[in-house]
Amino acid sequence: NAGVTQTPKFQVLKTGQSMTLQCAQDMNHEYMSWYRQDPGMGLRLIHYSVGAGITDQGEVPNGYNVSRSTTEDFPLRLLSAAPSQTSVYFCASSGHGKNEKLFFGSGTQLSVL
Amino acid sequence: DAKTTQPPSMDCAEGRAANLPCNHSTISGNEYVYWYRQIHSQGPQYIIHGLKNNETNEMASLIITEDRKSSTLILPHATLRDTAVYYCIVRVAGNFGNEKLTFGTGTRLTIIP
Repeated sequence: NAGVTQTPKFQVLKTGQSMTLQCAQDMNHEYMSWYRQDPGMGLRLIHYSVGAGITDQGEVPNGYNVSRSTTEDFPLRLLSAAPSQTSVYFCASSGHGKNEKLFFGSGTQLSVL
Repeated sequence: DAKTTQPPSMDCAEGRAANLPCNHSTISGNEYVYWYRQIHSQGPQYIIHGLKNNETNEMASLIITEDRKSSTLILPHATLRDTAVYYCIVRVAGNFGNEKLTFGTGTRLTIIP
């Protein structure tokens, strides 16, 4: 049981390049989400999903796309990277129920030059 | 609108109890109070949650006021490894999908030797 797995751990991009941050969970969780964290700031929600085929925008969705074709995977796509997207990205997942907790991945540190 | 308010930073002597406050004056009757912490740049880690009764687990205790407008996370015997950013959030249990789960900036707790 690996929990929430994010890849890659580190990535450097040039402005205008595209890439996909991968997130997978093996806990059969319905809810998955992506956050970004900038230095000295809290976590800001980018996009989230409540199940396969369903996604919605968070606080800071611009410049990012997501899809949820399976329960396990929730990739985050940067279509045309910008320096403002330099950040640490965290993926999280959770089941439903009153005692369900949000589980986080270990993060992806992205630098856009 | 922020759902919770926390002090930006606190210090606590090693071995003492660390008491971290959180105000959530607009909490709804079906919203739980959750606490997470983030050590250095790792993914946030679940600590404890509660609805209206005080809760205790192996990591911490959670005290929720009778009117539920504020709560306190207690780390009974703080160690250096408890140095982290602590986040207080409120959410409707069992219903992650119907809200944008926001974390804010949290409280940076520093344990002093």
